[in-house]
Amino acid sequence: QKEVEQNSGPLSVPEGAIASLNCTYSDRGSQSFFWYRQYSGKSPELIMFIYSNGDKEDGRFTAQLNKASQYVSLLIRDSQPSDSATYLCAVNKGGTSGSRLTFGEGTQLTVNP
Amino acid sequence: DAGITQSPRYKITETGRQVTLMCHQTWSHSYMFWYRQDLGHGLRLIYYSAAADITDKGEVPDGYVVSRSKTENFPLTLESATRSQTSVYFCASRSRGYEQYFGPGTRLTVT
Repeated sequence: QKEVEQNSGPLSVPEGAIASLNCTYSDRGSQSFFWYRQYSGKSPELIMFIYSNGDKEDGRFTAQLNKASQYVSLLIRDSQPSDSATYLCAVNKGGTSGSRLTFGEGTQLTVNP
Repeated sequence: DAGITQSPRYKITETGRQVTLMCHQTWSHSYMFWYRQDLGHGLRLIYYSAAADITDKGEVPDGYVVSRSKTENFPLTLESATRSQTSVYFCASRSRGYEQYFGPGTRLTVT
């Protein structure tokens, strides 16, 4: 089992729809969770982080964390073609892993005009 | 105020040659990281550093060497490049929280 798994995609949604990106993690002691956006040929860009159970909203983005289910998601409301990118989930396991992040392989999102 | 920069952005080298990838950050972040990104594997941690003169191995350290004599610089050296080291390399640094910020990347091809 991979430490961080994301829905494999690719995911395609129409413009204006809600895009839902999902991520599960295996280490129950994981403490902090991150979503990065990566455009083709570019570097990952941090868009959201969440540390506590529940929802965290930032503009059109909402991160949701459920530690009991070991599940973190990213919702993108009113999706735009400019949201088309690969989204990476990353997890900090805490403890002896310190500052290290473990990344999922990413979900490719396409928003169709 | 570039934040975090990498050089070169593109590099082609031959098998067996030594090559050094540079990373420089202007934020005075203590932690710095090197990742490689390959299709089918995602981002994998090569080495990281908690401070000047403190480095530690990540998930895939074999064939790589790092040093950190100054807080702002974290070079990655491939001592004898192999074709399997063809990849995109990203440097990152960490803020006070656990958020990491990435440089623009170096695309390395080993022929």
